[in-house]
Amino acid sequence: AQTVTQSQPEMSVQEAETVTLSCTYDTSESNYYLFWYKQPPSRQMILVIRQEAYKQQNATENRFSVNFQKAAKSFSLKISDSQLGDTAMYFCAFLSIIQGAQKLVFGQGTRLTINP
Amino acid sequence: DAGVIQSPRHEVTEMGQEVTLRCKPISGHNSLFWYRQTMMRGLELLIYFNNNVPIDDSGMPEDRFSAKMPNASFSTLKIQPSEPRDSAVYFCASGGVYGYTFGSGTRLTVV
Repeated sequence: AQTVTQSQPEMSVQEAETVTLSCTYDTSESNYYLFWYKQPPSRQMILVIRQEAYKQQNATENRFSVNFQKAAKSFSLKISDSQLGDTAMYFCAFLSIIQGAQKLVFGQGTRLTINP
Repeated sequence: DAGVIQSPRHEVTEMGQEVTLRCKPISGHNSLFWYRQTMMRGLELLIYFNNNVPIDDSGMPEDRFSAKMPNASFSTLKIQPSEPRDSAVYFCASGGVYGYTFGSGTRLTVV
């Protein structure tokens, strides 16, 4: 079974700093996808960034980028020039595809606070 | 595109009552997931469907929980009878390899 581990329950940084959230996963599959989701206090789940396992190039979306280390099964999220609006819970997610059916599993989340 | 629509947004019910949560996925999405979110347990995958067929319901906590997807545009999660420990936010999500879109969730409180 696939498992996703986020080892940092909480993090706090100053506005404009760079912060990295860690995520590791366990799988025996070679074809899968990884995501980071953000959940602000509004509780809405918002897709931040995605990564295909077959791509070596790390995904980037504006201030958000990932460091995908397939051999180490690591998928960290870097937020550059952090803003107050980045304050939220961040969830790492693993998507497997088994016999055509997709299964999406989440880590426990990291609560990120950006301080002014 | 109205996104994934869940109803109701809030539900307060008494212990022992039946509760039905509803979800309308985004048109064209073949996969649908139900999650439960609590402070203690985080986001738990309850059940997921592919092309309206339940694939894995091993995350459903007890027989009191059941889910259906009678067609591609509608799914329900039912709890009968409800208990206070079922209090949580329940999310529905639909999508594919490009990412999953979540509904706004239903906050269920069982008193």
